[in-house]
Amino acid sequence: SAVISQKPSRDICQRGTSLTIQCQVDSQVTMMFWYRQQPGQSLTLIATANQGSEATYESGFVIDKFPISRPNLTFSTLTVSNMSPEDSSIYLCSVDLGSGRAWETQYFGPGTRLLVL
Amino acid sequence: DQQVKQNSPSLSVQEGRISILNCDYTNSMFDYFLWYKKYPAEGPTFLISISSIKDKNEDGRFTVFLNKSAKHLSLHIVPSQPGDSAVYFCAASDGAQKLVFGQGTRLTINP
Repeated sequence: SAVISQKPSRDICQRGTSLTIQCQVDSQVTMMFWYRQQPGQSLTLIATANQGSEATYESGFVIDKFPISRPNLTFSTLTVSNMSPEDSSIYLCSVDLGSGRAWETQYFGPGTRLLVL
Repeated sequence: DQQVKQNSPSLSVQEGRISILNCDYTNSMFDYFLWYKKYPAEGPTFLISISSIKDKNEDGRFTVFLNKSAKHLSLHIVPSQPGDSAVYFCAASDGAQKLVFGQGTRLTINP
């Protein structure tokens, strides 16, 4: 298993500002993912963060809005830039300890609850 | 376009009875399905999965049923226990390194 921590756990931010969310894993992992869950909506994949290369973004998400860093195999950050109230969501990072399609080995962090005023 | 849908945002069941959570999908390319359980202030944790080559998978009190023709899967919990109170997400994969999740169903088990 993996122990994943996220900072901050929650925050209230003013529109137009940016927030960086940190994700720390207790073991080295190749693949890390960032998800968003807007109120009443499903978990939606924002991007896949691979160490040593640029993040791969899903349709509807762009690097200018959600820049991601992956400096090593245990850490990643997601920045929510130029925030608006529509960015109010829970942001979760996850890691996959397996290979290929072993989805049972995907672990999630506790999430960061963001409210933008 | 919501490819995975959980149409019941909440469900309340008496302890000891069966809980049935439902999930519908639209993408016929999905071939692997999972259920996750989430407690407050924690991340989702894997519960049970099923491949499209099967129609049933059982793990203790948890059973997942898949009806490919109806594009429908369900999670049965029997008997339901107070510790089962959580939000349950279904998710699907088409083989790519990506999961598509439903909106979640909040299950409350009443003593």
